Amino acid sequence: DAGVTQSPTHLIKTRGQQVTLRCSPKSGHDTVSWYQQALGQGPQFIFQYYEEEERQRGNFPDRFSGHQFPNYSSELNVNALLLGDSALYLCASSLGLADYNEQFFGPGTRLTVL
Amino acid sequence: QQPVQSPQAVILREGEDAVINCSSSKALYSVHWYRQKHGEAPVFLMILLKGGEQKGHEKISASFNEKKQQSSLYLTASQLSYSGTYFCGTEKGGKLIFGQGTELSVKP
Repeated sequence: DAGVTQSPTHLIKTRGQQVTLRCSPKSGHDTVSWYQQALGQGPQFIFQYYEEEERQRGNFPDRFSGHQFPNYSSELNVNALLLGDSALYLCASSLGLADYNEQFFGPGTRLTVL
Repeated sequence: QQPVQSPQAVILREGEDAVINCSSSKALYSVHWYRQKHGEAPVFLMILLKGGEQKGHEKISASFNEKKQQSSLYLTASQLSYSGTYFCGTEKGGKLIFGQGTELSVKP
């Protein structure tokens, strides 16, 4: 049973560039949430996708956008990168939107903006 | 509103017990607990729901006080493998808001 997978593992970009991160959810899961984790901090919720629509969004600017595909995989796009966007980006999958469903996290993508 | 965890860090010897607390200024519907080891993804430990229901690992125990808007994670007879950063998360409709984390180090 494949868990949550993310690609790439590491990425280095320069300020102003754009980046796309990818996530495949755990088998059987239909909901994908994205989190940003700065060094020494807890994960910060970016947004959540269910049925190919953005269902909830955290306090992130419009530079952060996403997409969910019919096979439930998801992409996170960040435009006009800033130095402060350097972080570990985590994808988590779950089944549905209920409060009591555990989220399974992927290994993350480490983004460095120079 | 981000939940507040205490303590920020704790050092234990193998076999000792620890309690990690999580407090919220908002009404809690559910509290999720995760452990993250350095360089790895957070791993699910437990969910506590309003009304007393729990889902999680048998060796982990936790409490959820709805009136006080608090949850506590109890780690008993700690093992080296318990080391890591523990996060509580409060949830509404799948949106998890995590605390700042509690770093736990278990020494031999």
